[in-house]
Amino acid sequence: AQSVTQLDSQVPVFEEAPVELRCNYSSSVSVYLFWYVQYPNQGLQLLLKYLSGSTLVESINGFEAEFNKSQTSFHLRKPSVHISDTAEYFCAVAAGGGKLIFGQGTELSVKP
Amino acid sequence: ETGVTQTPRHLVMGMTNKKSLKCEQHLGHNAMYWYKQSAKKPLELMFVYNFKEQTENNSVPSRFSPECPNSSHLFLHLHTLQPEDSALYLCASSQEVYNEQFFGPGTRLTVL
Repeated sequence: AQSVTQLDSQVPVFEEAPVELRCNYSSSVSVYLFWYVQYPNQGLQLLLKYLSGSTLVESINGFEAEFNKSQTSFHLRKPSVHISDTAEYFCAVAAGGGKLIFGQGTELSVKP
Repeated sequence: ETGVTQTPRHLVMGMTNKKSLKCEQHLGHNAMYWYKQSAKKPLELMFVYNFKEQTENNSVPSRFSPECPNSSHLFLHLHTLQPEDSALYLCASSQEVYNEQFFGPGTRLTVL
C-alpha cells in the first residue's frame, strides 16, 4: 500500500534563507509524486509533479523537487524563500484509480 | 468563473439539519472528488466519480451522500452530522482519474 510521510510538521525560516521540506513515500506500483501548496483559506494548488523522465522537477516560482528512488524521497527545496511562500505544503503519491495519498503537511513560516 | 468553485464557503449546521455542498468545475474534466481536511490530519479522500459514476467510496458514513448529475457538478448531501464532522471539505477534478487534480477553495463546515 502507498503511504507518504512528511517528516516536519512546521518549518520556520528567515526570508531569503534556503529551505527543504522533506517527504518520504512507500509505493508498490509506479510512482507518481506531487507537491501541493495551500495558502490560508484556500484550496490546494499543484506546485510540481513527477510522473517520469528527469528526476529533478521545477515549479514556476523557484521551488524544485528531486525524485530519489533509492531513498524513496521527494524532498522540496527552494534556495531563497520569500514572505509570500508562507503556506502549508503537502506531498502526495498517486495510488491508482484517482486516489491521492497525502502526507500530513508541513507548515512553512517565513519570517522577515 | 474558472477552475473549480465551491459553495457555500462557510456553513454552520446543527446535528439535525440537512444541507448540501456544491462543487462545479469549468475545466471540462471527467473525474471529480470529495476530500475531508481535518486539523492535524492528512487529507482524506471520501468519494471519486469518473464520468458521473462513483468509482470509490472510502468507507464514508452514510450521513454523507454524494451526487454527481453530470461531469461538471458534484454535490455532497449532509444529514444528522456529528461535531467530529466539522472540517474543511474540498472538491477536486481531473481530466482523467490518473491525471493531476485541481482543487476548489473548500467549504468550512462547523457542526454544532
